[in-house]
Amino acid sequence: DAKTTQPNSMESNEEEPVHLPCNHSTISGTDYIHWYRQLPSQGPEYVIHGLTSNVNNRMASLAIAEDRKSSTLILHRATLRDAAVYYCILNTGANSKLTFGKGITLSVRP
Amino acid sequence: GAGVSQSPSNKVTEKGKDVELRCDPISGHTALYWYRQRLGQGLEFLIYFQGNSAPDKSGLPSDRFSAERTGESVSTLTIQRTQQEDSAVYLCASSFGRSSDTQYFGPGTRLTVL
Repeated sequence: DAKTTQPNSMESNEEEPVHLPCNHSTISGTDYIHWYRQLPSQGPEYVIHGLTSNVNNRMASLAIAEDRKSSTLILHRATLRDAAVYYCILNTGANSKLTFGKGITLSVRP
Repeated sequence: GAGVSQSPSNKVTEKGKDVELRCDPISGHTALYWYRQRLGQGLEFLIYFQGNSAPDKSGLPSDRFSAERTGESVSTLTIQRTQQEDSAVYLCASSFGRSSDTQYFGPGTRLTVL
């Protein structure tokens, strides 16, 4: 399975932008890059996904490197509610099961 | 519309007992997944159902674990002869099954084996 590498943790200040990096150097051409987050005591929730082009939605933006070996999740203005574990995952499509690593724990300071 | 639901939300059982966990996926979703999350850890894939295809059971940790799905609806995960190491949150997700599709997760069942 293609794997991803993320830092263990990151801190941010409220109302400031946050850039969460992810490396996936063994990504194959048909792998989608998905981001999920998990708030304390809740199941994971979808954030965003992309294949080659940068993507924007109401929650975040996803910047994908031209060679697709890395990507960055961008939260434009962090809120306290954004404190969570963020998982960067490659969906290989063979059976669409998601392989979750440990993710990156984002802390947001008031 | 309704999301993925799971029951019970909490289950406490004694070592050696059997337990059944239930998942109701989003209507119309052909794919259903079970994951396990131990305290402080990431999610571990357990099993995947897609339509009428044979399930992918590659993540089941032992033959004490089994799961069934009725058509494209409810699924039950059964753990026989529970052990303390089975204590975890069991999460269910559903989707349309393609690599571009979002998986929608339920709230999980917290299983505690005494």
